[in-house]
Amino acid sequence: SQTIHQWPATLVQPVGSPLSLECTVEGTSNPNLYWYRQAAGRGLQLLFYSVGIGQISSEVPQNLSASRPQDRQFILSSKKLLLSDSGFYLCAWTTGLSGNTIYFGEGSWLTVV
Amino acid sequence: AQSVTQPDIHITVSEGASLELRCNYSYGATPYLFWYVQSPGQGLQLLLKYFSGDTLVQGIKGFEAEFKRSQSSFNLRKPSVHWSDAAEYFCAVVSGGSYIPTFGRGTSLIVHP
Repeated sequence: SQTIHQWPATLVQPVGSPLSLECTVEGTSNPNLYWYRQAAGRGLQLLFYSVGIGQISSEVPQNLSASRPQDRQFILSSKKLLLSDSGFYLCAWTTGLSGNTIYFGEGSWLTVV
Repeated sequence: AQSVTQPDIHITVSEGASLELRCNYSYGATPYLFWYVQSPGQGLQLLLKYFSGDTLVQGIKGFEAEFKRSQSSFNLRKPSVHWSDAAEYFCAVVSGGSYIPTFGRGTSLIVHP
């Protein structure tokens, strides 16, 4: 069966520090991968998605970036964190096209101080 | 462009009472529809989904949803709520030919004993 792993689960980072969140999917190949952010008390905001290695689409301009160095690995990064980057970050995946179910990781809590 | 409206930010029910969470979507053709549940600090778990066929869909944890094309709605129901159902509920839609879901802003369910 397919599983998704996301880490770290929680982190507290100072303003201006770098960020790296990692997500890996097991049990499938060539998944579509997604990074969402959920600010406190708010809905889901799609940040990036990827349909293949090295293919990244950005939905929201910001100081975050994403990379997909391997088929089932998706990384969210920042060179310099802002206070507004605090939130709950969710990695997700799906296979195939058009309407397939999206499955989520357990999320990463980021607090920028 | 597709959009999803969850008109209720908070819903409060007593344990054992019935529940209906509303979801309306905007899309020309029949979309793929989903309901997810999120417990505090957790990822999103799929409750149920509608792709085609029977408009009444059964899901996990005793939930069901009914697709009504004429009303562009996909409301989530449960006949008797348990205290453990307290969580955030998200409706999502994916249009045909797309692999990017649009999520509603979520409805927070509060269950009173």
